[in-house]
Amino acid sequence: DIQMTQSPSSLSASVGDRVTITCRASQSISSYLNWYQQKPGKAPKLLIYAASTLQSGVPSRFSGSGSGTDFTLTISSLQPEDFATYYCQESYSTLAITFGQGTRLEIK
Amino acid sequence: QVQLQESGPGLVKPSETLSLTCTVSSVSVSSYYWSWIRQPPGKGLEWVGNVFYTGTTNYNPSLKSRVTLSVDTSKNQFSLKLSSVTAADTAVYYCARYMTTAYNWFDPWGQGTLVTVSS
Repeated sequence: DIQMTQSPSSLSASVGDRVTITCRASQSISSYLNWYQQKPGKAPKLLIYAASTLQSGVPSRFSGSGSGTDFTLTISSLQPEDFATYYCQESYSTLAITFGQGTRLEIK
Repeated sequence: QVQLQESGPGLVKPSETLSLTCTVSSVSVSSYYWSWIRQPPGKGLEWVGNVFYTGTTNYNPSLKSRVTLSVDTSKNQFSLKLSSVTAADTAVYYCARYMTTAYNWFDPWGQGTLVTVSS
């Protein structure tokens, strides 16, 4: 199975900050990488697919980059509604799709 | 827009079979792959499996011996059965559409349903 490792596991930041979350795959997954946002008690919401394509309706302050094994999710200027948990997910494998362990973004 | 809604018992006894259904609105269940993903309380996301209306399935290897996914085109629904459950299967279970184009992703998701395994 492909292992997905996110860092950091948690992060404190302030409104207006620029934040970067990293996701590393245990083997090359090309650009088969998605990012989701999950707020407490809610279902995950797709933010970015194919490593860098913004899902329709997602604010442009979110961006994704990377290919191969190393990927980043960047929020250019944190808004109050962005405090949530973020997950990466690889879709390279058809046999065992895996998620990262999550990064909890908290208000400083 | 596409909407998904999970339904099923919220409490299942150990060793019994967990059964959930996802009802799909605004799109034919025959048009896409569909998935189940679960999340134990306070923990991360775990993919359970995918199903296509033809019966093609892919299961998480760690659950494969206990999972069955199926599609009912007449009701525009798809279902999950997980046998021989234990407390470790307690989780919020989400259904989702699995978009399969040049790349693949889960979108949208249902709101989720909490299933507790307890006697």
